[in-house]
Amino acid sequence: NAGVTQTPKFRVLKTGQSMTLLCAQDMNHEYMYWYRQDPGMGLRLIHYSVGEGTTAKGEVPDGYNVSRLKKQNFLLGLESAAPSQTSVYFCASSYSRQGKETQYFGPGTRLLVL
Amino acid sequence: GQNIDQPTEMTATEGAIVQINCTYQTSGFNGLFWYQQHAGEAPTFLSYNVLDGLEEKGRFSSFLSRSKGYSYLLLKELQMKDSASYLCAVRDRTNAGKSTFGDGTTLTVKP
Repeated sequence: NAGVTQTPKFRVLKTGQSMTLLCAQDMNHEYMYWYRQDPGMGLRLIHYSVGEGTTAKGEVPDGYNVSRLKKQNFLLGLESAAPSQTSVYFCASSYSRQGKETQYFGPGTRLLVL
Repeated sequence: GQNIDQPTEMTATEGAIVQINCTYQTSGFNGLFWYQQHAGEAPTFLSYNVLDGLEEKGRFSSFLSRSKGYSYLLLKELQMKDSASYLCAVRDRTNAGKSTFGDGTTLTVKP
């Protein structure tokens, strides 16, 4: 099991450029999430998905779009990057068993927008 | 919505016990997570409490009181490798799967 993987690990963009971050999990988890983490802060939820073909907005969805066409993949898109989107992006997936939930995180993508 | 508070920083001595508190206000509670995050790395899952009481897992224990909106993470026999940020997160019952994170507590373990 690779767990949760993210591509790319690091990227530099110019303001206005677009890009897609890919998250993949091989654990057959229903739920997947995209978070961003800024220095000295906790994680803020951007978008999440409770199953294939479904997505929902989190706390800070503006400027981002997502798609979950396959259960194992969750894509995060930036249509027109802004310096305020410089951050570390973490993907996570989770499952629930007997009322207990466990969440697994990917290694993160460091994005710098100039 | 959710409002989560935890101390920004704590310092403890190797071999000691430390308790990291987390208080929350929520419109719909469906469980509380604790994560450990070393600098430059991804968070790793430590515990999930949905019922009141203490859950022990090796050197780490997590406690929840839903009526008080309060949880703590207890770390025993501290080791230098326990120096990390500890994140408290509350799961929202009204929005399946949605969790809100506190800003984290940075724990420094000194020799």
